[in-house]
Amino acid sequence: DAKTTQPPSMDCAEGRAANLPCNHSTISGNEYVYWYRQIHSQGPQYIIHGLKNNETNEMASLIITEDRKSSTLILPHATLRDTAVYYCIVRVALNTGNMLTFGGGTRLMVKP
Amino acid sequence: GAGVSQTPSNKVTEKGKYVELRCDPISGHTALYWYRQSLGQGPEFLIYFQGTGAADDSGLPNDRFFAVRPEGSVSTLKIQRTERGDSAVYLCASSRYRGETEQFFGPGTRLTVL
Repeated sequence: DAKTTQPPSMDCAEGRAANLPCNHSTISGNEYVYWYRQIHSQGPQYIIHGLKNNETNEMASLIITEDRKSSTLILPHATLRDTAVYYCIVRVALNTGNMLTFGGGTRLMVKP
Repeated sequence: GAGVSQTPSNKVTEKGKYVELRCDPISGHTALYWYRQSLGQGPEFLIYFQGTGAADDSGLPNDRFFAVRPEGSVSTLKIQRTERGDSAVYLCASSRYRGETEQFFGPGTRLTVL
């Protein structure tokens, strides 16, 4: 699976949009972009995923560049409960082990 | 409905001892995963079960680590002759089937080896 690069930390004001970038320049055509987050002392939680089109659900939006080499997770109105480590993961939908390969993630701190 | 549960939530043991960590996946989920997370790092894959069989155990660090899922639901991760470097949070996740988009994680078991 392709390697991802994320900033180690970011701050965001409560109520503002949080834009979390991810670089995946070696992504292959059959690899999806997944985002998970991990709130302190909890297991990771799925947020969203996409292949090449932008995606939106009740939690977030995912913007993938046309060349698919980078993406941005957008939390439109961040709250204090969104403080967490956010992981960007790229993988094929049906890789051999189907495991997730986590990097270091971005620690998002939402401040009042 | 109930999520993935893991017991115990915390386990403190002495170097050289044997430990068992239990995972109860979401009912009906056929795929089950174990990950290990050291402080300040992302989770690392250990082993993946599809039903009762270990489909991929390439992440197990050495032969002191073993996992079973005899009836295709509950799984136990077993660590023999524990070492201080085994201290970490052990996470379990399940999904309905292989290839399912979302993996559902439990809260983890924090293992401390003194």
